[in-house]
Amino acid sequence: EDQVTQSPEALRLQEGESSSLNCSYTVSGLRGLFWYRQDPGKGPEFLFTLYSAGEEKEKERLKATLTKKESFLHITAPKPEDSATYLCAVREGLTGGGNKLTFGTGTQLKVEL
Amino acid sequence: EAGVTQFPSHSVIEKGQTVTLRCDPISGHDNLYWYRRVMGKEIKFLLHFVKESKQDESGMPNNRFLAERTGGTYSTLKVQPAELEDSGVYFCASSQERGTLSGNTIYFGEGSWLTVV
Repeated sequence: EDQVTQSPEALRLQEGESSSLNCSYTVSGLRGLFWYRQDPGKGPEFLFTLYSAGEEKEKERLKATLTKKESFLHITAPKPEDSATYLCAVREGLTGGGNKLTFGTGTQLKVEL
Repeated sequence: EAGVTQFPSHSVIEKGQTVTLRCDPISGHDNLYWYRRVMGKEIKFLLHFVKESKQDESGMPNNRFLAERTGGTYSTLKVQPAELEDSGVYFCASSQERGTLSGNTIYFGEGSWLTVV
């Protein structure tokens, strides 16, 4: 069974203090690792999809990287508006899992002035 | 372009009552999914439609849950009768199938927040 573990559960940063969020995964055959941002009371907002080890994607202050066992979401010089819960999910591809995503529990990020 | 829309956004019902949640996917998306998050847990898959057909319903918790997608457009998820443990947020998502292993972006709606009292 696919497993996704995110750490830390919560992270408090000062504005401008860069850090990284971790997503460790176990999957039979990776067919995509997804990062989403979720604000309170809202649905997950798509950020990135990574497909193979070594791949990197960037968007503003965020950069996602992927290895065979984990993914990192690097946040450079964060601002208060980056405060949200960041969710990681994997889509498995070798046992007929179709498009089903398996989610981690998320990292709740708070960026303070 | 409109995103995935869900209705109602919030619902409070009594145990034993029936609730029907509706999801309108992004126009042109053949794939429609239902997910659920109960308090303190991660978001979990319920089922997947490709057009009007159920592709995978392995995540449906029991036969009190019925999902339909008549005509391959919008979908409904009915809970009948509702139990206390059904409380949570129900997310609908959609994607456009491309037929490749590289997969597709899955877009989520804002969720329907269900409270059973």
